[in-house]
Amino acid sequence: QKEVEQDPGPLSVPEGAIVSLNCTYSNSAFQYFMWYRQYSRKGPELLMYTYSSGNKEDGRFTAQVDKSSKYISLFIRDSQPSDSATYLCAMRPGNDYKLSFGAGTTVTVRA
Amino acid sequence: GAVVSQHPSRVICKSGTSVKIECRSLDFQATTMFWYRQFPKQSLMLMATSNEGSKATYEQGVEKDKFLINHASLTLSTLTVTSAHPEDSSFYICSARDPGGVQFFGPGTRLTVL
Repeated sequence: QKEVEQDPGPLSVPEGAIVSLNCTYSNSAFQYFMWYRQYSRKGPELLMYTYSSGNKEDGRFTAQVDKSSKYISLFIRDSQPSDSATYLCAMRPGNDYKLSFGAGTTVTVRA
Repeated sequence: GAVVSQHPSRVICKSGTSVKIECRSLDFQATTMFWYRQFPKQSLMLMATSNEGSKATYEQGVEKDKFLINHASLTLSTLTVTSAHPEDSSFYICSARDPGGVQFFGPGTRLTVL
């Protein structure tokens, strides 16, 4: 079993829809949770960074962390074709800076 | 967010030659940088952790003599692929850890070994 599970998709939604992405994990030591967006042939770009459980909102993006269920989510509201990319969840313990990544979910937003 | 640059963005070399890739944090000091490799349609695979002023820590299965890492300053780490072979062709990405512990990634370097 992988340490971080993420459905690779692909996920296709119409423009304007809400995109819902999630990851589950097994290591209870994880305390920091991130979502990165990666366009084809580019490096990952940090979207959201959260510590411990709770919600965080930034523009059209909302990240949720539920440590009791070992489950994190990213929601993209009013999705645009420019949101078409691969979304990677990543996480790490409090005492180690190495990240554990999900497999990445490929999202296509249809115009 | 913070900016991390990589150079070159693409490189094509002949088998047996060495290739150096630079990773720079442009607006913050990074005591720790990371080097990743990514195969098509796969997630990032950590190769090594580079700490300023000390030897890099390599992940299991990564040949330290083949992938030489130098982190000579707080804003620069280099990865040298020595005696490159076609199987080393890949997308190499670096990241730099800012003082808050967040990793910011470079744009990546596509290496093709003929």
